[in-house]
Amino acid sequence: AQTVTQSQPEMSVQEAETVTLSCTYDTSESDYYLFWYKQPPSRQMILVIRQEAYKQQNATENRFSVNFQKAAKSFSLKISDSQLGDAAMYFCASYTSGTYKYIFGTGTRLKVLA
Amino acid sequence: NAGVTQTPKFQVLKTGQSMTLQCAQDMNHEYMSWYRQDPGMGLRLIHYSVGAGITDQGEVPNGYNVSRSTTEDFPLRLLSAAPSQTSVYFCASSLTGIIYEQYFGPGTRLTVT
Repeated sequence: AQTVTQSQPEMSVQEAETVTLSCTYDTSESDYYLFWYKQPPSRQMILVIRQEAYKQQNATENRFSVNFQKAAKSFSLKISDSQLGDAAMYFCASYTSGTYKYIFGTGTRLKVLA
Repeated sequence: NAGVTQTPKFQVLKTGQSMTLQCAQDMNHEYMSWYRQDPGMGLRLIHYSVGAGITDQGEVPNGYNVSRSTTEDFPLRLLSAAPSQTSVYFCASSLTGIIYEQYFGPGTRLTVT
């Protein structure tokens, strides 16, 4: 079965500091993709970063980077120089091409303290 | 491009009523999907489609029907609404090539009384 687990319902970070959100996943497929989505209060889902499982190099998008540990099935998101606009729900998700299914975690609410 | 559009934005139904949530995309995406979002549950996949004429069930399909007669449209039908279907519903679309990034609609907040 394909599962995604986010064990941190809520996190807080001081503005300009760094925070890491955790995600673990499980799949029996070899061809899969991992994502982090951001959902601000507007409710719109926004892609933050994605990682192809076959790539060893960790993905980076400006202040956002991931730590992809394939053997441990771990996919954490690091936000550097946190800004007030980073406050949102963050969802980890996986997609496997064999099942055509996207599976989402339960989310982590990030608060950014001024 | 309008991207992914959903109508209505808000809806209140009485138990037993039926209705259709509309979803359309203008990006020529093969893959479309419906999710429901409930507090503490994340997004759960209801149904998905990999192309016109092809649909399949996700994690929580009971009480919902879908069809995909065109590439652009993917409506979600609630057959007989129940209070347990009170939720926020999201439609999403993506290519089925290497990118696999999903584009989401703005969501529909549905309340069943």
